[in-house]
Amino acid sequence: GQQVMQIPQYQHVQEGEDFTTYCNSSTTLSNIQWYKQRPGGHPVFLIQLVKSGEVKKQKRLTFQFGEAKKNSSLHITATQTTDVGTYFCAGRVTGGGNKLTFGTGTQLKVEL
Amino acid sequence: DGGITQSPKYLFRKEGQNVTLSCEQNLNHDAMYWYRQDPGQGLRLIYYSQIVNDFQKGDIAEGYSVSREKKESFPLTVTSAQKNPTAFYLCASSIDIQTSGYTFGSGTRLTVV
Repeated sequence: GQQVMQIPQYQHVQEGEDFTTYCNSSTTLSNIQWYKQRPGGHPVFLIQLVKSGEVKKQKRLTFQFGEAKKNSSLHITATQTTDVGTYFCAGRVTGGGNKLTFGTGTQLKVEL
Repeated sequence: DGGITQSPKYLFRKEGQNVTLSCEQNLNHDAMYWYRQDPGQGLRLIYYSQIVNDFQKGDIAEGYSVSREKKESFPLTVTSAQKNPTAFYLCASSIDIQTSGYTFGSGTRLTVV
């Protein structure tokens, strides 16, 4: 079946450093979404990317969808303690029934 | 305010007992989902429903059952056949299954004692 892998699994950064998580699918995706889950909380939808090569920004967050629509990345510039949490990508397989498959997640810790 | 409500937040159950987790949404969303999350793990799909009176098995449906008699409600029953039921259960909904993002409830943490 379809697999969506994320790397790294964990990342510790100092406040102010940048952070990137990468998402890779074994199959082509029709779209990809990103979610953030704070410790003890539930996932919250951040953004959806649909087009090949698409780049979207939300303040310090930059999301990118690969040209082949099989990978994606989330980059956070100048991390803050409020960025702490686990970031999940989730993809829909082209022609694959439309349900989302979630990635394994990247847990981000930010130290002062 | 519109949202999705899961209850209870914490649930303890004895081995061999069935238990039902509630999920209610007032967002007028057609699609609803149940996910299981284990510590340090991603989300695994248990069941999903695209429309009232219809639901489909996800990746880990064994030992679980659902119903979708009303658009607003999608309860999940964890049966005694589920071998490792202790987990964090998340319900979600979306406008449709093809394109939109998911809204998640705050989850139910189930512990089997």
